[in-house]
Amino acid sequence: NAGVMQNPRHLVRRRGQEARLRCSPMKGHSHVYWYRQLPEEGLKFMVYLQKENIIDESGMPKERFSAEFPKEGPSILRIQQVVRGDSAAYFCASSPLSEWYYTFGSGTRLTVV
Amino acid sequence: EDKVVQSPLSLVVHEGDTVTLNCSYEVTNFRSLLWYKQEKKAPTFLFMLTSSGIEKKSGRLSSILDKKELFSILNITATQTGDSAVYLCAVEAPAAGNKLTFGGGTRVLVKP
Repeated sequence: NAGVMQNPRHLVRRRGQEARLRCSPMKGHSHVYWYRQLPEEGLKFMVYLQKENIIDESGMPKERFSAEFPKEGPSILRIQQVVRGDSAAYFCASSPLSEWYYTFGSGTRLTVV
Repeated sequence: EDKVVQSPLSLVVHEGDTVTLNCSYEVTNFRSLLWYKQEKKAPTFLFMLTSSGIEKKSGRLSSILDKKELFSILNITATQTGDSAVYLCAVEAPAAGNKLTFGGGTRVLVKP
């Protein structure tokens, strides 16, 4: 079991570009969560998805951020028109249907220059 | 809004010392509390606590929950340099769906 796979590990974008972060959950896990960790801060919830459904996006900024978890393929966190303040580590986690504690991926470190 | 506060923010100890990390919380309809260890990358799961007064133990790590006073502690005995990490506490509450609310973490540095 490869665990939760995130890619890329590091992503550098210029201000105004788009960032796409990918997350493949563990085999058998149908729940995906995205968290953001700003420098020297704890993890902050962004969005919770199941296949083809956004269950809770209460932590997502209202503009420029979107997430999806299609029927086939990885979950994608998309940030349009990135700004310096988007620089952070973005962690994805997954859990099986009947349990709730997560397994985290190794994260994508986004740097906006 | 659910809140989780960890203390201290950071601490430095020497190998062999014992450390105690604190986590206090305010949540509506608490379900469970979790501890994670975060080194350079992904947080790794340590403990899940749901009942008061029952100590969970894994090697040199142990944790206990007090649901009356709304806090948990994580103890690490006979610390080693490999214990250096950020320790994260998180709580889950049904009203919040399946999401976790994390504290800011405690950074532990164990010196040889």
